Parts: sequence; C-alpha cells; structure tokens
Amino acid sequence: RKEVEQDPGPFNVPEGATVAFNCTYSNSASQSFFWYRQDCRKEPKLLMSVYSSGNEDGRFTAQLNRASQYISLLIRDSKLSDSATYLCVVNNEYGGSQGNLIFGKGTKLSVKP
Amino acid sequence: NAGVTQTPKFRVLKTGQSMTLLCAQDMNHEYMYWYRQDPGMGLRLIHYSVGEGTTAKGEVPDGYNVSRLKKQNFLLGLESAAPSQTSVYFCASSTPTGTGYEQYFGPGTRLTVT
Repeated sequence: RKEVEQDPGPFNVPEGATVAFNCTYSNSASQSFFWYRQDCRKEPKLLMSVYSSGNEDGRFTAQLNRASQYISLLIRDSKLSDSATYLCVVNNEYGGSQGNLIFGKGTKLSVKP
Repeated sequence: NAGVTQTPKFRVLKTGQSMTLLCAQDMNHEYMYWYRQDPGMGLRLIHYSVGEGTTAKGEVPDGYNVSRLKKQNFLLGLESAAPSQTSVYFCASSTPTGTGYEQYFGPGTRLTVT
C-alpha cells in the first residue's frame, strides 16, 4: 500500500507563533499534492495544492521536495481559528487510479490564546 | 450550488440490519468516492466510481456495495451491518483540474452499529 506519513501531534502553540508540519510519501510516481484541513467532527476541506516550485497563500506556505518525497506546510502568525487537523494528501498514480487520493492520518494543531 | 450532500446525517443500526447511504453532487463531477474515517486510522477508501455505471473497489471494500446509476448520485449499501462498520462515512467527488484531482467532501454520515 502506498503510504503518506505525518507526525500526529498535537502541536500546541500560542497565537502568533509560526508552526511547520512535515509529511513524507512513498509513491515516487505521485504527481499531485495537497493539504486539507479538517475541523473537529467536520468534513475535510481543501486548504491548498502544493506545487513543485512551492506556493504561498496568505499566511500559509507549502513546499514540495520530490527528491526526498517530502511535503511541508508552514503557518505564520497562527490564529485561534487555525486550530484543526491538517491532512497531507498525495494522488495515487497507480494503474488507472490517478483520481484516487491517499490521505495521511493528519497532524492536530491547537492554537492557544 | 449545494456541492456534495449526504443522507442521512446520523443512523443507528442493529447488527444484521441493512441500509443505504446516499451521496449527491451538483458539480457535474465524473469521479465519486466513499470513505470511512475511524479514530487513529485516517480516511480509508471503500469504493469509488470514475463515471456513471462504473464502480471499483478501494482499500476496504468488504461488507459494502455501491451503485452509480446516475452521474450525480453514488450509493453505499451495507447488506448486513456489523459493529466493525461503526464509523463516520464521507462521500467525495472530483474532476481533473490543472493541479490534479481535488476532492470535495460531503458533511459525513455518523453510523453506529450495536
């Protein structure tokens, strides 16, 4: 089975802190990478796609290192509303299953006042 | 535009009972998926469909059946529920985009089997 590994946390940080999440994936043929956010008892929602050159969306920066099969998410100036579980997601480039995604188990973030 | 909807939101079944979970999407997406999410296990793919009339097995298909008679609907059936099927079930849909297959999820169905 193709795997996506994440540190489960929890990460407990004060408001305003910078926090980084890391993720490794096992399928070197994967082409698409995402970070999803899941609030408690809610469905996962797409936070951002991860591009090879790295990309930024406001306080969020995602990086991809294909050689090391490593993805990261950096959150700057953490807000209370950032408290959630962050899922690292990679597509399953295997035998016609390109539309399938493999989800990591998630890293829990708790931002405290 | 409701996105992905799931019916019902909650259900309690007794062992051996059957039920069908309904997923509907109004985004004209080709691909649809059923997942289950259990504590410490993450999301696991049960079955998926790449188009109307087609279905395929995912990682944990045993005990479940699916049907995709209409493009917008994807049904998940439990013929004889077992306590091990107590879980939160999520449906998702996707279509190819420039960045891959971003999936959009429904709000989930919380199923308890006693």
